[in-house]
Amino acid sequence: DTGVSQNPRHKITKRGQNVTFRCDPISEHNRLYWYRQTLGQGPEFLTYFQNEAQLEKSRLLSDRFSAERPKGSFSTLEIQRTEQGDSAMYLCASSPRGLAGQDEQYFGPGTRLTVT
Amino acid sequence: DAKTTQPPSMDCAEGRAANLPCNHSTISGNEYVYWYRQIHSQGPQYIIHGLKNNETNEMASLIITEDRKSSTLILPHATLRDTAVYYCIVRPYSGGGADGLTFGKGTHLIIQP
Repeated sequence: DTGVSQNPRHKITKRGQNVTFRCDPISEHNRLYWYRQTLGQGPEFLTYFQNEAQLEKSRLLSDRFSAERPKGSFSTLEIQRTEQGDSAMYLCASSPRGLAGQDEQYFGPGTRLTVT
Repeated sequence: DAKTTQPPSMDCAEGRAANLPCNHSTISGNEYVYWYRQIHSQGPQYIIHGLKNNETNEMASLIITEDRKSSTLILPHATLRDTAVYYCIVRPYSGGGADGLTFGKGTHLIIQP
């Protein structure tokens, strides 16, 4: 098991540009989550996939954000027309389908986005 | 969702047991208590979880009070590598366990040499 991987690890972009992040979950984990974390705060849930279906979206996920998981394996998170407020660490997590309370999430190292 | 309350920071001497408290007075009967930690510049790491019985694994022990309104995470022999932010999370199991985690600000545990 190689763990959850995320690419790139760091991204610097200018305001107004589009960016895309990739997350590769642990193989055979059918659940995939995206979170955002700003300095000094805990991670905030953005969205969740079960296989290729996006089942839950937070109100934090504005129209400029879109996430996909086309084949139920890796996922991408795209931010269009980036704003300085989008600067944050974007975390991906995966979990297996398990019994009640047996579905702990495994997090990747995150992608740090800086919008200038 | 039930909310949790944790002290913002704690110190512990290396080699001693670190006891991290968490209040979750509005917890519901079907909600689990989860603990994660986040070492600087890394993603959160799962530690342990429980429903009402005390739990122990290779990383820590979780003590949940009988009324389930509070819990304590115990790191039995803290090392410098245990310095991290520790998050106590109450999570409902809605039949699919699909809900995203709701993190608070956690407790910044500093292990002193």
